[in-house]
Amino acid sequence: DADVTQTPRNRITKTGKRIMLECSQTKGHDRMYWYRQDPGLGLRLIYYSFDVKDINKGEISDGYSVSRQAQAKFSLSLESAIPNQTALYFCATSDWNTEAFFGQGTRLTVV
Amino acid sequence: QKEVEQNSGPLSVPEGAIASLNCTYSDRGSQSFFWYRQYSGKSPELIMFIYSNGDKEDGRFTAQLNKASQYVSLLIRDSQPSDSATYLCAVQAGGTSYGKLTFGQGTILTVHP
Repeated sequence: DADVTQTPRNRITKTGKRIMLECSQTKGHDRMYWYRQDPGLGLRLIYYSFDVKDINKGEISDGYSVSRQAQAKFSLSLESAIPNQTALYFCATSDWNTEAFFGQGTRLTVV
Repeated sequence: QKEVEQNSGPLSVPEGAIASLNCTYSDRGSQSFFWYRQYSGKSPELIMFIYSNGDKEDGRFTAQLNKASQYVSLLIRDSQPSDSATYLCAVQAGGTSYGKLTFGQGTILTVHP
């Protein structure tokens, strides 16, 4: 089993719908991150969390929200999806002295 | 100013040559620096990390860090076609944003036979 698991792997949704992307990890890390990837723009940070009670906005948090349900679970919600949120989304985890470990990504298409 | 900047490329080198990838960052208090490789449609995978000024070598890869110039680079020696990928520089913040991990936009590298 993967250390960082994202569900779903692919999703097509309609404009205006609410959608949740889920991430779970078995590495025991405190830090979790959500990134968005668009061609030519690298990975842009949406939100990050350093423990269950800690949530921080990244550079592109508008239109997104997150929930850290447990140390191992960090979900990303799009309250009302719009077409320019079509992208590849990655969840990652790390500890204070480790690199980031990534999930396999969720390809989201908003039509 | 972007927090982490890379030349987006594409960078094209012949097989066997040295590929040089560069990254600058804006937060002088940044603590840790990472280079990731990403193949199309796949997750990023770590190549190297560096914390201290100077060079760090691992096989064909050398990371170089200059905190005074806020600059980190990755050299790939004896480049192979399998090295063709997007290379992402990542910087871990210090100070009030300690631990925040920010990526550059990536450099596309093509190694041609």
